[in-house]
Amino acid sequence: DAMVIQNPRYQVTQFGKPVTLSCSQTLNHNVMYWYQQKSSQAPKLLFHYYDKDFNNEADTPDNFQSRRPNTSFCFLDIRSPGLGDAAMYLCATSRESSGRTDTQYFGPGTRLTVL
Amino acid sequence: AQSVAQPEDQVNVAEGNPLTVKCTYSVSGNPYLFWYVQYPNRGLQFLLKYITGDNLVKGSYGFEAEFNKSQTSFHLKKPSALVSDSALYFCAVLRRGYSTLTFGKGTMLLVSP
Repeated sequence: DAMVIQNPRYQVTQFGKPVTLSCSQTLNHNVMYWYQQKSSQAPKLLFHYYDKDFNNEADTPDNFQSRRPNTSFCFLDIRSPGLGDAAMYLCATSRESSGRTDTQYFGPGTRLTVL
Repeated sequence: AQSVAQPEDQVNVAEGNPLTVKCTYSVSGNPYLFWYVQYPNRGLQFLLKYITGDNLVKGSYGFEAEFNKSQTSFHLKKPSALVSDSALYFCAVLRRGYSTLTFGKGTMLLVSP
């Protein structure tokens, strides 16, 4: 089945220790998104890739970076995690063509704990 | 600025009764409208969407949503609730020509046996 996969599902890191979360998709979608979600709040968009074009949200901290080496994979790097970065991180994908964006499909998420 | 309002933090309903989860939006133009469901420690799961056409949209697991342009609403409904429907529900809008969703704050649905 075509899907969005996130690894790991649970990640524990130490304060200030860099961490990388990964997302892969078999949907062949050209747009990939990273969201941060805290305690049953709405997901907050961090950034998204339209093909190789990176689009950062204005209020995303510099501590968060992303890489998309190819269509299928996208990574979220947190350079120096703070306690406030503990959250669920959600990856999503969609197909956009001719100026029209279709449904976003989400992965299962990675729960990040910062000690 | 665009916004999505889900006026209820929580909706309680007895199993077998009809349920409604409310959503209103303020977005220019004719946006696409979505409902997602989230179970604990899981990602968001797509339920249904409205793009154009019939105002009543049918989706997964027996859910449906009614689009009302004059009231700028897109309420989620189900004729007969199940205990397993208990989850967090998000309404979202996508402005045409844009790639990013605007989410409501979410409504927790609790279905009691």
